[in-house]
Amino acid sequence: AAGVIQSPRHLIKEKRETATLKCYPIPRHDTVYWYQQGPGQDPQFLISFYEKMQSDKGSIPDRFSAQQFSDYHSELNMSSLELGDSALYFCASSFRDRGHEQYFGPGTRLTVT
Amino acid sequence: DQQVKQNSPSLSVQEGRISILNCDYTNSMFDYFLWYKKYPAEGPTFLISISSIKDKNEDGRFTVFLNKSAKHLSLHIVPSQPGDSAVYFCAASTNNFNKFYFGSGTKLNVKP
Repeated sequence: AAGVIQSPRHLIKEKRETATLKCYPIPRHDTVYWYQQGPGQDPQFLISFYEKMQSDKGSIPDRFSAQQFSDYHSELNMSSLELGDSALYFCASSFRDRGHEQYFGPGTRLTVT
Repeated sequence: DQQVKQNSPSLSVQEGRISILNCDYTNSMFDYFLWYKKYPAEGPTFLISISSIKDKNEDGRFTVFLNKSAKHLSLHIVPSQPGDSAVYFCAASTNNFNKFYFGSGTKLNVKP
């Protein structure tokens, strides 16, 4: 079965650079979530989209923005990167009618040097 | 403010025995609770969920119990297998599913 696809899997950037993370949800899933997981921490909710509209926002810095496109894929744009942005970034998707079943991608490991 | 808490960072169990992972929450508005299993370098894998209108949900070796009055849920794995060794996250959401809150995880080690 198709899973959530995230690209790239690994990304190394320098401070003050920008990064774009991409997420391709499971086919027919209409909801996408972004999470940030720092070392030894639980996944922290950043932002979610339902049918291409932002549905909720968590602890997402103003330097970050995200959107969901017409094909339901989503991109997380991160600017003015800081060392503290180094983390695993997970995307998850679900079908709203079964929203309690959320499926995660493998994550993008971002390292800011 | 940590709305979902897993107070045991680790648990070690013998193969074949029961593993019990615990989770507490503070927000009485949560409608759904989920358990995820995570291996290193992989995304969390959805295991089992329970609606707040139920007190038990079972799927194979996995059973989740919900005690709403105590704001507590637990995941039982019977019998435990070495392949169950992973980090288990508890998560919660209201029924709009706009946002999920995660606990800090419990690392389960099942010894052969």
